[in-house]
Amino acid sequence: SQQGEEDPQALSIQEGENATMNCSYKTSINNLQWYRQNSGRGLVHLILIRSNEREKHSGRLRVTLDTSKKSSSLLITASRAADTASYFCATGRSFQKLVFGTGTRLLVSP
Amino acid sequence: EAQVTQNPRYLITVTGKKLTVTCSQNMNHEYMSWYRQDPGLGLRQIYYSMNVEVTDKGDVPEGYKVSRKEKRNFPLILESPSPNQTSLYFCASSPQGDRASEAFFGQGTRLTVV
Repeated sequence: SQQGEEDPQALSIQEGENATMNCSYKTSINNLQWYRQNSGRGLVHLILIRSNEREKHSGRLRVTLDTSKKSSSLLITASRAADTASYFCATGRSFQKLVFGTGTRLLVSP
Repeated sequence: EAQVTQNPRYLITVTGKKLTVTCSQNMNHEYMSWYRQDPGLGLRQIYYSMNVEVTDKGDVPEGYKVSRKEKRNFPLILESPSPNQTSLYFCASSPQGDRASEAFFGQGTRLTVV
């Protein structure tokens, strides 16, 4: 069962630009997580935002959550080539019920 | 170093030949999961385990088995692999199940069944 849908599917930007990707989900949640996946490798947790939070920051990452619209956005500021990866949102009330979206592929060119 | 270790990283096998993909975590996590990742479909959960000897089906369990005899290990077993099980497989673990928390992923196993 797929919960999150990321948009856009692919994004290509230059180093130094900001990258914004969005996640929409279908059912009510108590939290939403974002993960990064470098090509063919394991996912790495970036940030978790709870349903009672509207915005959260971690370094160059900014995540927003709008539960009324069932959507979240991930903003990466001042992108670097090393940010090139796929980004996934994940929702679920528990680890065993964590459901991932299909991801946004981000390409940051030097 | 805290990590989830999968082996092998790459595997090519023939239809019907039983195989096991191992997963081990050194963080004393109770919760572990297996996912498969296919283009356009994202990650789909195969099985999960909430503790030793406690396992349950995820969204796509057909053709797979798991066991959890020890807390650190959660092997994925394909009794009779078929070409539609060609995929990228990930094991994950988490310290908490009932409350959402960060999931730690292994580096993946790329399986090809011919």
